[in-house]
Amino acid sequence: EAQVTQNPRYLITVTGKKLTVTCSQNMNHEYMSWYRQDPGLGLRQIYYSMNVEVTDKGDVPEGYKVSRKEKRNFPLILESPSPNQTSLYFCASSPGQGHTQYFGPGTRLLVL
Amino acid sequence: AQTVTQSQPEMSVQEAETVTLSCTYDTSESDYYLFWYKQPPSRQMILVIRQEAYKQQNATENRFSVNFQKAAKSFSLKISDSQLGDAAMYFCAYRSGGMDSNYQLIWGAGTKLIIKP
Repeated sequence: EAQVTQNPRYLITVTGKKLTVTCSQNMNHEYMSWYRQDPGLGLRQIYYSMNVEVTDKGDVPEGYKVSRKEKRNFPLILESPSPNQTSLYFCASSPGQGHTQYFGPGTRLLVL
Repeated sequence: AQTVTQSQPEMSVQEAETVTLSCTYDTSESDYYLFWYKQPPSRQMILVIRQEAYKQQNATENRFSVNFQKAAKSFSLKISDSQLGDAAMYFCAYRSGGMDSNYQLIWGAGTKLIIKP
């Protein structure tokens, strides 16, 4: 089944404790992206990747890192999480230009 | 910069009736794509329908159809024969089609659709 998977789905952590949210797609998509969703603000892009080893900042990259060492995986890294990073995070992928983005199930993160 | 506006925070409709959700956008580009996504209580983001700006014909997917008015920069979603399973947040989104595009989706704030049994 073609899909985008994220892990974990739910995470409670404390300020400053490094964490990684994994994202994997099995559709051989070139493009992958991370969004965060906050009430009243809609979805905002954090980082995106056009292909392996090609990443760039979105609208709200502060406090996040990403890597794209292989095509299927695009992990989101929070080196030192803070409470303002409490949010719902979505990973998405797309075959490329002109194509629809397909979303993972979301990761709900609470930083205490 | 492009913007997407959904002016209806919440809409309600009787089961089996028709409802239209509004979306307007602002852009100076001629090549772009528009989407409606549905987010049910599970929080999964599900594509409902997509429209290419260069196509004059309105997109249709079963009970879902759009009214795309390019000159007016309007992109409304019509849901016919509403079902209880249609209850969700609906988001309108825009994406540039330019070759230098970063494929970023620009999102509206969403419309909560309530289905009355």
